[in-house]
Amino acid sequence: GQQLNQSPQSMFIQEGEDVSMNCTSSSIFNTWLWYKQDPGEGPVLLIALYKAGELTSNGRLTAQFGITRKDSFLNISASIPSDVGIYFCAGQYGNKLVFGAGTILRVKS
Amino acid sequence: EADIYQTPRYLVIGTGKKITLECSQTMGHDKMYWYQQDPGMELHLIHYSYGVNSTEKGDLSSESTVSRIRTEHFPLTLESARPSHTSQYLCASSATGEAVTEAFFGQGTRLTVV
Repeated sequence: GQQLNQSPQSMFIQEGEDVSMNCTSSSIFNTWLWYKQDPGEGPVLLIALYKAGELTSNGRLTAQFGITRKDSFLNISASIPSDVGIYFCAGQYGNKLVFGAGTILRVKS
Repeated sequence: EADIYQTPRYLVIGTGKKITLECSQTMGHDKMYWYQQDPGMELHLIHYSYGVNSTEKGDLSSESTVSRIRTEHFPLTLESARPSHTSQYLCASSATGEAVTEAFFGQGTRLTVV
């Protein structure tokens, strides 16, 4: 099946710092999505990207759909303690969504 | 806010019991999914449905079964639970149409089989 490689696996950052994470694949995807999952909850959609090269912002979050359609990145600016959680990228192929392994974000306050 | 609900939130049961995890959505979505997730790990698709009376196996083999008799309801059943089934099960739904593919997730059911 399709696979997404998400990195980094986890990171500690100082409050106020910017964060960057990315997903890559050997396959082309039509849509890239970024989700955040808080402990004990289901993932919540942060940003959806539909076109190659698309750059979209949602508050302090910015995500881009790679030109090759095989990658995407998510940036978080000026991190705060509530940014803690697991961030997942997801790519659409056909009618299915495949998820990356997640990036665990821990913030030092 | 997504209108998709899973019950129970937490379940501890003995080996060999039959269980059904419930998932309902009020958004009228045609597509529904079940994912399995171990703590801190990625989500694995185990079942999906494109509409009523349509069910397909996902990428991860699972001993569970699903049914889709009504649009809003997509229950998952384990006929005989085993400790290896201990995991979190997440239900999701999305609208039909190529342009709208965001999946909305329920809060999950954390299953422990003892």
